[in-house]
Amino acid sequence: GAGVSQSPSNKVTEKGKDVELRCDPISGHTALYWYRQRLGQGLEFLIYFQGNSAPDKSGLPSDRFSAERTGESVSTLTIQRTQQEDSAVYLCASSRTGRGNEQFFGPGTRLTVL
Amino acid sequence: DQQVKQNSPSLSVQEGRISILNCDYTNSMFDYFLWYKKYPAEGPTFLISISSIKDKNEDGRFTVFLNKSAKHLSLHIVPSQPGDSAVYFCAASADYGQNFVFGPGTRLSVLP
Repeated sequence: GAGVSQSPSNKVTEKGKDVELRCDPISGHTALYWYRQRLGQGLEFLIYFQGNSAPDKSGLPSDRFSAERTGESVSTLTIQRTQQEDSAVYLCASSRTGRGNEQFFGPGTRLTVL
Repeated sequence: DQQVKQNSPSLSVQEGRISILNCDYTNSMFDYFLWYKKYPAEGPTFLISISSIKDKNEDGRFTVFLNKSAKHLSLHIVPSQPGDSAVYFCAASADYGQNFVFGPGTRLSVLP
């Protein structure tokens, strides 16, 4: 497909377990973003990758959160020792460049921490 | 402290009438604004943008107005259609679109 894809679409895990969420951006998009949307709240910026530059990790809520991106392709968001407050929809977006370009969002991964 | 606010969590409008969605921001450094539309179980999709050098941008039925002195922007949809029923997010950037701060969203229901 031509859009941003994310997997899994749903993830249920137990408190304390690690989870890994995957994002496949649109081919050719150099910028990739991760956001989190908790129930009833807006999109919360987590991390931004742009080409080979150092990622902007300013939105990561704690050191339990980390993300990797291989070149200009797949990205994984890892949450270690999950807590119940990590329950949210995690959205990935990509754009052609990092500035002034609309972001194309994936469908999100709904994470539920029991 | 929310930098981008959408004070109406929901809005209902009759089909054919105008929908006005409002967004207020606190950071005077914001220079680029977007509106996204989100249907259930889907990611947000880009709708329309405006940079701080303009006060209006129009695209078909959608018009965004920016009032920098009031730190306020609004999205007008005319005429509203039932397919416009969705959650609308306002987003703002202080570095011309590198990082965005999103509002909490307004759920629009267009009644047939």
